[in-house]
Amino acid sequence: KAGVTQTPRYLIKTRGQQVTLSCSPISGHRSVSWYQQTPGQGLQFLFEYFSETQRNKGNFPGRFSGRQFSNSRSEMNVSTLELGDSALYLCASSLGPTTSYEQYFGPGTRLTVT
Amino acid sequence: TQLLEQSPQFLSIQEGENLTVYCNSSSVFSSLQWYRQEPGEGPVLLVTVVTGGEVKKLKRLTFQFGDARKDSSLHITAAQPGDTGLYLCAGLSLSGNTPLVFGKGTRLSVIA
Repeated sequence: KAGVTQTPRYLIKTRGQQVTLSCSPISGHRSVSWYQQTPGQGLQFLFEYFSETQRNKGNFPGRFSGRQFSNSRSEMNVSTLELGDSALYLCASSLGPTTSYEQYFGPGTRLTVT
Repeated sequence: TQLLEQSPQFLSIQEGENLTVYCNSSSVFSSLQWYRQEPGEGPVLLVTVVTGGEVKKLKRLTFQFGDARKDSSLHITAAQPGDTGLYLCAGLSLSGNTPLVFGKGTRLSVIA
């Protein structure tokens, strides 16, 4: 089975711009979660989508949004970029709400805001 | 807010040495996962422990879940350079809006 893919892998944006990141989950996985990883804060949960519905949301401002399509692919959008948004954005897929909730991560998108 | 504290934050050891990484919380988790992340890649799941007191072995890696399901440890025997990476523990929350809570990680460097 192909793993989780994320595009683009690297992105450089300017403050105030917006960005859209894409994630394709493992075939058969219906849950997609997004995380922000920074050296100081570690891995922080952004949101989770299951069957096109947002199930959970982390403590991030409304500038961060996402959606999931009927084929389980997901996108996340960050509007009005700030310098502090520079991070590695990771997408993870799983079968869905199960006892173990094991996550399969993509390689991430490295976003740099200048 | 549930937190997972990992220690140590950084660890640099010689090949062949043993080491233990700890993951502690004041909260109870329904299960706990360990991941390893290498530079330029996403975390890769190593193991999931579900039952309090459970011990799982993966070759030279031994994982233990505390009896009260609030803490966990990862022990590596005879470390090798290929063990180098960022080790993350993650607890599955029983409630709250964040189903999986991650620790900040232990960065391990094994020197040949």
